[in-house]
Amino acid sequence: DVKVTQSSRYLVKRTGEKVFLECVQDMDHENMFWYRQDPGLGLRLIYFSYDVKMKEKGDIPEGYSVSREKKERFSLILESASTNQTSMYLCASSPGQVEKLFFGSGTQLSVL
Amino acid sequence: ELKVEQNPLFLSMQEGKNYTIYCNYSTTSDRLYWYRQDPGKSLESLFVLLSNGAVKQEGRLMASLDTKARLSTLHITAAVHDLSATYFCAVDTSGSRLTFGEGTQLTVNP
Repeated sequence: DVKVTQSSRYLVKRTGEKVFLECVQDMDHENMFWYRQDPGLGLRLIYFSYDVKMKEKGDIPEGYSVSREKKERFSLILESASTNQTSMYLCASSPGQVEKLFFGSGTQLSVL
Repeated sequence: ELKVEQNPLFLSMQEGKNYTIYCNYSTTSDRLYWYRQDPGKSLESLFVLLSNGAVKQEGRLMASLDTKARLSTLHITAAVHDLSATYFCAVDTSGSRLTFGEGTQLTVNP
C-alpha cells in the first residue's frame, strides 16, 4: 500500500514562528501536493511539485513556501506563522498525471 | 477560475433510503474524482471518472460523469450507517492538479 506520512498529527505554534511541516511518501511518486482544509471551504491547493527541486504555486500560496530536495520528501514552510494559518494541512502524492491522489493523515496546526 | 460546487452540503438520511449528491463545475474537464473522509481521518479515493458518460460502482455507491453538463453525481442506494462520512468531488483541469468541492457531510440514521 502507498504510504504518505506527515510528521506531526497536531502542532501548536506561536504567531511569528517559522513552521516546518514534513511529508514523506514511499512509492516513488512523481507528484506531491500540499492542501489546507477549512470547514465549508473544502481543500485548497497551496503548492505542488512534479519533480525534485521543482515547485509550482497553487491557489493560495501567500505566506507559504515549499522545498523538495528529494523525490520522497515535500516540506511546507510557514515563514512567519499567523493566526489565519490555523488549519488542517494535508499532503498528497500521485504517480503521474490523471492519477488519483494518496493523502497523508493530516497535520492540525494551531497558531496562537 | 474553476469553481466546483457540491449540493447538498449537509445530508441526513435514514437507513435504506436512496439519495444523490451533485457536483457541478464551471470549466471544461473530463476528469473527476470522488473522495471520502471519515471524521478525524484523511481522504480516501472512491472513484476516478475519466471520460464523458463514465459510470463506476462500488457497493452501494455509484458515480457518473456528464462532461457536457459539467456535472457528476454520486448515488447512494439503500444507505447504511457505515456510509456516514464527508464526500468530496474534485475536478482535474491540468494534470493531477485538483480543485475540490466544499464537501457533502452525510449522516445516515438508523
